Amino acid sequence: NAGVMQNPRHLVRRRGQEARLRCSPMKGHSHVYWYRQLPEEGLKFMVYLQKENIIDESGMPKERFSAEFPKEGPSILRIQQVVRGDSAAYFCASSQSPASPGETQYFGPGTRLLVL
Amino acid sequence: GNSVTQMEGPVTLSEEAFLTINCTYTATGYPSLFWYVQYPGEGLQLLLKATKADDKGSNKGFEATYRKETTSFHLEKGSVQVSDSAVYFCALGPGGGSYIPTFGRGTSLIVHP
Repeated sequence: NAGVMQNPRHLVRRRGQEARLRCSPMKGHSHVYWYRQLPEEGLKFMVYLQKENIIDESGMPKERFSAEFPKEGPSILRIQQVVRGDSAAYFCASSQSPASPGETQYFGPGTRLLVL
Repeated sequence: GNSVTQMEGPVTLSEEAFLTINCTYTATGYPSLFWYVQYPGEGLQLLLKATKADDKGSNKGFEATYRKETTSFHLEKGSVQVSDSAVYFCALGPGGGSYIPTFGRGTSLIVHP
Protein backbone atom coordinates (compact mmCIF):
# COMPACT_ATOMS: atom_id res chain seq x y z
CA ASN A 1 0.00 0.00 0.00
CA ALA A 2 1.90 2.99 -1.28
CA GLY A 3 1.97 6.06 0.91
CA VAL A 4 1.68 9.64 -0.21
CA MET A 5 4.03 10.31 -3.08
CA GLN A 6 5.51 13.61 -4.06
CA ASN A 7 7.71 14.51 -6.96
CA PRO A 8 10.14 15.80 -7.62
CA ARG A 9 11.92 15.45 -4.28
CA HIS A 10 14.23 18.32 -5.14
CA LEU A 11 13.60 21.11 -7.61
CA VAL A 12 15.92 23.92 -8.61
CA ARG A 13 14.54 26.92 -10.46
CA ARG A 14 15.88 30.29 -11.48
CA ARG A 15 13.99 33.43 -10.57
CA GLY A 16 11.05 33.99 -12.92
CA GLN A 17 10.60 30.32 -13.86
CA GLU A 18 7.63 28.16 -12.99
CA ALA A 19 7.64 25.37 -10.42
CA ARG A 20 5.20 22.45 -10.55
CA LEU A 21 4.95 20.17 -7.54
CA ARG A 22 3.00 16.94 -7.71
CA CYS A 23 1.30 14.92 -5.03
CA SER A 24 -0.40 11.55 -5.28
CA PRO A 25 -2.47 10.84 -2.15
CA MET A 26 -2.78 7.49 -0.48
CA LYS A 27 -5.09 5.08 -2.23
CA GLY A 28 -8.66 5.76 -1.24
CA HIS A 29 -7.97 9.29 0.03
CA SER A 30 -9.78 12.12 -1.69
CA HIS A 31 -8.66 14.97 0.60
CA VAL A 32 -5.34 16.70 -0.03
CA TYR A 33 -3.58 19.43 1.92
CA TRP A 34 -0.50 21.43 0.95
CA TYR A 35 1.86 22.94 3.51
CA ARG A 36 5.02 25.01 3.31
CA GLN A 37 7.90 24.69 5.74
CA LEU A 38 10.66 27.25 5.93
CA PRO A 39 13.99 26.50 7.65
CA GLU A 40 13.68 26.76 11.44
CA GLU A 41 9.97 27.49 11.09
CA GLY A 42 6.86 25.45 11.56
CA LEU A 43 4.40 24.07 9.09
CA LYS A 44 2.21 26.62 7.35
CA PHE A 45 -1.10 25.53 5.84
CA MET A 46 -1.60 26.64 2.25
CA VAL A 47 -4.58 24.95 0.65
CA TYR A 48 -7.07 22.11 1.12
CA LEU A 49 -8.60 20.35 -1.86
CA GLN A 50 -10.97 17.57 -2.64
CA LYS A 51 -11.27 15.99 -6.06
CA GLU A 52 -11.97 18.81 -8.55
CA ASN A 53 -12.64 21.34 -5.77
CA ILE A 54 -10.65 23.85 -3.77
CA ILE A 55 -12.22 23.84 -0.32
CA ASP A 56 -9.98 26.27 1.56
CA GLU A 57 -7.14 28.30 0.09
CA SER A 58 -6.85 30.78 2.92
CA GLY A 59 -3.15 30.07 3.46
CA MET A 60 -2.06 30.47 -0.12
CA PRO A 61 -0.63 33.73 -1.48
CA LYS A 62 -3.12 35.42 -3.79
CA GLU A 63 -0.64 35.87 -6.61
CA ARG A 64 1.58 33.39 -8.45
CA PHE A 65 0.35 30.35 -6.49
CA SER A 66 -2.37 27.98 -7.62
CA ALA A 67 -3.43 24.43 -6.83
CA GLU A 68 -5.61 21.81 -8.41
CA PHE A 69 -6.71 18.26 -7.77
CA PRO A 70 -8.24 16.90 -10.97
CA LYS A 71 -10.59 13.97 -11.24
CA GLU A 72 -7.74 11.88 -12.61
CA GLY A 73 -4.12 12.27 -11.69
CA PRO A 74 -2.14 13.91 -8.93
CA SER A 75 -2.72 17.18 -7.16
CA ILE A 76 -0.54 19.98 -8.51
CA LEU A 77 0.82 23.00 -6.69
CA ARG A 78 1.99 25.54 -9.20
CA ILE A 79 4.19 28.53 -8.48
CA GLN A 80 4.62 30.99 -11.30
CA GLN A 81 7.51 33.45 -11.63
CA VAL A 82 9.32 32.06 -8.61
CA VAL A 83 11.31 34.34 -6.33
CA ARG A 84 14.05 33.47 -3.82
CA GLY A 85 11.56 33.73 -0.97
CA ASP A 86 9.67 30.75 -2.41
CA SER A 87 12.60 28.49 -1.48
CA ALA A 88 11.19 26.06 1.07
CA ALA A 89 10.04 22.50 1.60
CA TYR A 90 6.52 21.87 0.36
CA PHE A 91 4.62 18.99 1.89
CA CYS A 92 1.46 17.32 0.77
CA ALA A 93 -0.77 15.36 3.14
CA SER A 94 -3.83 13.28 2.49
CA SER A 95 -6.66 11.97 4.59
CA GLN A 96 -9.79 9.91 4.11
CA SER A 97 -12.34 11.64 6.34
CA PRO A 98 -11.06 14.91 7.82
CA ALA A 99 -14.13 15.43 9.96
CA SER A 100 -13.83 12.07 11.72
CA PRO A 101 -12.42 12.14 15.27
CA GLY A 102 -8.81 11.04 15.35
CA GLU A 103 -8.45 11.24 11.59
CA THR A 104 -4.74 11.14 10.79
CA GLN A 105 -2.99 13.11 8.08
CA TYR A 106 -0.51 11.12 6.01
CA PHE A 107 2.39 13.16 4.74
CA GLY A 108 4.54 12.78 1.69
CA PRO A 109 8.34 13.16 1.80
CA GLY A 110 8.15 16.72 0.52
CA THR A 111 9.57 18.67 -2.39
CA ARG A 112 12.49 20.91 -1.56
CA LEU A 113 12.40 23.90 -3.85
CA LEU A 114 15.49 26.03 -4.30
CA VAL A 115 15.24 29.25 -6.26
CA LEU A 116 18.55 30.61 -7.53
CA GLY B 1 -9.94 30.14 16.57
CA ASN B 2 -7.83 27.11 17.40
CA SER B 3 -4.18 27.49 18.37
CA VAL B 4 -1.32 25.33 19.64
CA THR B 5 1.63 26.47 21.71
CA GLN B 6 4.71 24.28 22.03
CA MET B 7 7.83 24.84 24.06
CA GLU B 8 10.66 26.40 22.13
CA GLY B 9 13.56 24.26 21.09
CA PRO B 10 16.02 22.94 20.64
CA VAL B 11 15.78 20.53 23.51
CA THR B 12 19.16 18.90 24.04
CA LEU B 13 19.42 15.74 26.14
CA SER B 14 21.83 12.95 26.82
CA GLU B 15 20.87 9.41 25.91
CA GLU B 16 18.59 7.74 28.49
CA ALA B 17 17.40 11.09 29.89
CA PHE B 18 13.72 11.81 30.56
CA LEU B 19 11.92 13.87 27.95
CA THR B 20 9.03 16.29 28.27
CA ILE B 21 7.85 18.54 25.46
CA ASN B 22 5.04 20.80 26.56
CA CYS B 23 2.01 21.49 24.40
CA THR B 24 -1.03 23.58 25.30
CA TYR B 25 -3.96 24.47 23.10
CA THR B 26 -7.03 26.61 22.74
CA ALA B 27 -9.90 25.15 20.80
CA THR B 28 -13.56 25.34 20.02
CA GLY B 29 -15.18 22.13 21.14
CA TYR B 30 -13.18 18.99 21.84
CA PRO B 31 -10.83 18.25 18.98
CA SER B 32 -8.59 15.23 18.69
CA LEU B 33 -4.97 15.83 19.66
CA PHE B 34 -1.89 14.53 17.88
CA TRP B 35 1.87 14.37 18.06
CA TYR B 36 3.68 14.07 14.76
CA VAL B 37 7.43 13.49 14.32
CA GLN B 38 9.63 14.65 11.47
CA TYR B 39 13.01 13.01 10.99
CA PRO B 40 15.67 14.88 9.01
CA GLY B 41 14.86 15.11 5.32
CA GLU B 42 11.47 13.43 5.68
CA GLY B 43 7.81 14.32 5.96
CA LEU B 44 5.79 14.27 9.17
CA GLN B 45 4.46 10.98 10.48
CA LEU B 46 1.98 10.28 13.21
CA LEU B 47 3.56 9.41 16.55
CA LEU B 48 0.46 9.16 18.73
CA LYS B 49 -3.00 10.61 19.20
CA ALA B 50 -5.90 10.94 21.63
CA THR B 51 -9.50 11.60 20.73
CA LYS B 52 -11.13 12.54 24.03
CA ALA B 53 -10.39 13.87 27.49
CA ASP B 54 -8.23 11.63 29.72
CA ASP B 55 -7.25 9.42 26.79
CA LYS B 56 -3.59 8.49 26.72
CA GLY B 57 -1.87 8.00 23.40
CA SER B 58 1.32 5.94 23.32
CA ASN B 59 3.79 4.63 20.78
CA LYS B 60 7.50 3.67 20.74
CA GLY B 61 7.88 4.55 24.43
CA PHE B 62 6.34 8.01 23.98
CA GLU B 63 3.08 8.93 25.64
CA ALA B 64 0.79 11.91 26.08
CA THR B 65 -2.48 12.40 27.96
CA TYR B 66 -5.36 14.59 26.79
CA ARG B 67 -5.92 16.96 29.74
CA LYS B 68 -9.07 19.01 29.23
CA GLU B 69 -8.78 20.84 32.55
CA THR B 70 -5.33 22.21 31.72
CA THR B 71 -5.82 22.18 27.92
CA SER B 72 -2.55 20.32 27.54
CA PHE B 73 -1.11 17.33 25.69
CA HIS B 74 2.49 17.09 26.88
CA LEU B 75 4.76 14.52 25.23
CA GLU B 76 6.91 12.34 27.50
CA LYS B 77 9.41 9.54 27.18
CA GLY B 78 11.23 7.90 30.04
CA SER B 79 14.53 7.21 28.30
CA VAL B 80 15.42 8.85 25.01
CA GLN B 81 17.74 7.41 22.38
CA VAL B 82 19.94 9.09 19.79
CA SER B 83 17.51 7.84 17.16
CA ASP B 84 14.74 9.97 18.73
CA SER B 85 16.48 13.11 17.47
CA ALA B 86 13.85 14.80 15.31
CA VAL B 87 11.34 17.64 15.26
CA TYR B 88 8.10 17.01 17.15
CA PHE B 89 4.84 18.74 16.24
CA CYS B 90 1.77 18.97 18.45
CA ALA B 91 -1.47 19.33 16.49
CA LEU B 92 -5.22 19.80 16.91
CA GLY B 93 -7.53 17.92 14.65
CA PRO B 94 -10.05 19.80 12.54
CA GLY B 95 -13.05 21.18 14.35
CA GLY B 96 -15.32 24.16 14.87
CA GLY B 97 -16.57 23.93 11.30
CA SER B 98 -13.09 23.82 9.76
CA TYR B 99 -11.42 20.87 8.04
CA ILE B 100 -7.97 22.27 8.66
CA PRO B 101 -5.78 20.88 11.47
CA THR B 102 -3.75 23.28 13.56
CA PHE B 103 -0.05 22.57 14.02
CA GLY B 104 2.36 23.93 16.60
CA ARG B 105 5.67 25.39 15.47
CA GLY B 106 7.55 22.20 16.25
CA THR B 107 10.18 21.42 18.86
CA SER B 108 13.58 20.15 17.81
CA LEU B 109 15.00 17.36 19.99
CA ILE B 110 18.71 16.58 19.90
CA VAL B 111 19.91 13.52 21.80
CA HIS B 112 23.64 13.07 22.40
CA PRO B 113 25.29 9.69 23.03
